[in-house]
Amino acid sequence: EVQLLESGGGLVQPGGSLRLSCAVSGFTFSNNAMSWVRQAPGKGLEWVSAISGSGGNTYYADSVKGRFTISRDNSQNTMFLQMNSLRAEDTAIYYCVKEDHLVGHTTSFDIWGQGTMVTVSS
Amino acid sequence: QSALTQPASVSGSPGQSITISCTGTGSDVGNYNLVSWYQQYPGKAPKLIICEVTKRPSGISNRFSGSKSGNTASLTISGLQAEDEADYYCCSYAGSRHWLFGGGTKVIVL
Repeated sequence: EVQLLESGGGLVQPGGSLRLSCAVSGFTFSNNAMSWVRQAPGKGLEWVSAISGSGGNTYYADSVKGRFTISRDNSQNTMFLQMNSLRAEDTAIYYCVKEDHLVGHTTSFDIWGQGTMVTVSS
Repeated sequence: QSALTQPASVSGSPGQSITISCTGTGSDVGNYNLVSWYQQYPGKAPKLIICEVTKRPSGISNRFSGSKSGNTASLTISGLQAEDEADYYCCSYAGSRHWLFGGGTKVIVL
């Protein structure tokens, strides 16, 4: 069974940092690109960041570029999101998401974790 | 890049068909056949129900179907059932390895 389990969320002050983790099981982790998608309370979904299967390529939404860093450890089947300079508008549930792909191109987000809540408030 | 545009809510009676629209631009929806749709129940994670505009993943009911015309994609739910009451989000590739989601549509079963 494919499972994605996020951890690391919590309450942090504006300007602070937090590191999210996503432990994966049930598929060959290194063969799949992965993403983080977030959802602010009562709001819609927002793609945040993506990383290639090897970890050599990373991508960011403009809203987090320069503040967030995505990474992965394929030996531990784990993905990370280092979040620095956090703002109130970063408050959201952060989902770890597996990307489905066809001929090397991502086509959709086919497996989602249950999410971890990040609250940025003083 | 702005979010894709979806109606806030769509309603229908059991057994009816409803359609949710998702409008983007020529840089996203209109330029790629990489539109997907997600169903989300309150307090739960989203679930993929349509990928690549029209394809249904294994296990998804054939009551769900997708289409696209120009810069607008659509999700149709036929034979509406009470269990279909949920939030639905569209998503499109927007180039440069970026993705855009719609604002979400609440489906209400009357």
